[in-house]
Amino acid sequence: DAKTTQPPSMDCAEGRAANLPCNHSTISGNEYVYWYRQIHSQGPQYIIHGLKNNETNEMASLIITEDRKSSTLILPHATLRDTAVYYCIVRGEEYGNKLVFGAGTILRVKS
Amino acid sequence: NAGVTQTPKFQVLKTGQSMTLQCAQDMNHNSMYWYRQDPGMGLRLIYYSASEGTTDKGEVPNGYNVSRLNKREFSLRLESAAPSQTSVYFCASSEAQPTVYEQYFGPGTRLTVT
Repeated sequence: DAKTTQPPSMDCAEGRAANLPCNHSTISGNEYVYWYRQIHSQGPQYIIHGLKNNETNEMASLIITEDRKSSTLILPHATLRDTAVYYCIVRGEEYGNKLVFGAGTILRVKS
Repeated sequence: NAGVTQTPKFQVLKTGQSMTLQCAQDMNHNSMYWYRQDPGMGLRLIYYSASEGTTDKGEVPNGYNVSRLNKREFSLRLESAAPSQTSVYFCASSEAQPTVYEQYFGPGTRLTVT
């Protein structure tokens, strides 16, 4: 697997965009970038994933650099309910459906 | 749909006791997983079942056994609980699509071994 590096914690003001970075400098060509989040005491929740192109869904946007060595998850208008641990995961098809979770980034949204 | 359900929600065991954690999903998913999460850490995969009738070890399988009872149910058994197995246990399920690895997680079982 490509190893990911995320900051341990970040703060964001309510209503502002939250930009969560992830470095994956050893990513290979067929490996996807996935983002999950875990709200306190709950099971993780899938947010978004991508390979090369930027992706957007109802929850967030994923920006992947052209060299694919880093990515940014963007929550466009953060709310207090977005306070959670955010996990950036890199995984290739050859590993099947197994995910490896690191320590993630604790995002605190403040009013 | 209930999604992924787990029982029990909480459990306290004494060292050496055994127990089975139950997991069921109603999304007709092929793949199911068991993870553990220790305080302040990410999830670690214990066992997984890519499809009904198959199971494989994950990152931390020692001290656990699993049974894929049918397509819906995947149980995790601790034969002789140890304090090091105090953790929160999450079950998850997913489709076996080649490029989409969205896993759906249950609410967790909080296990304390004294």
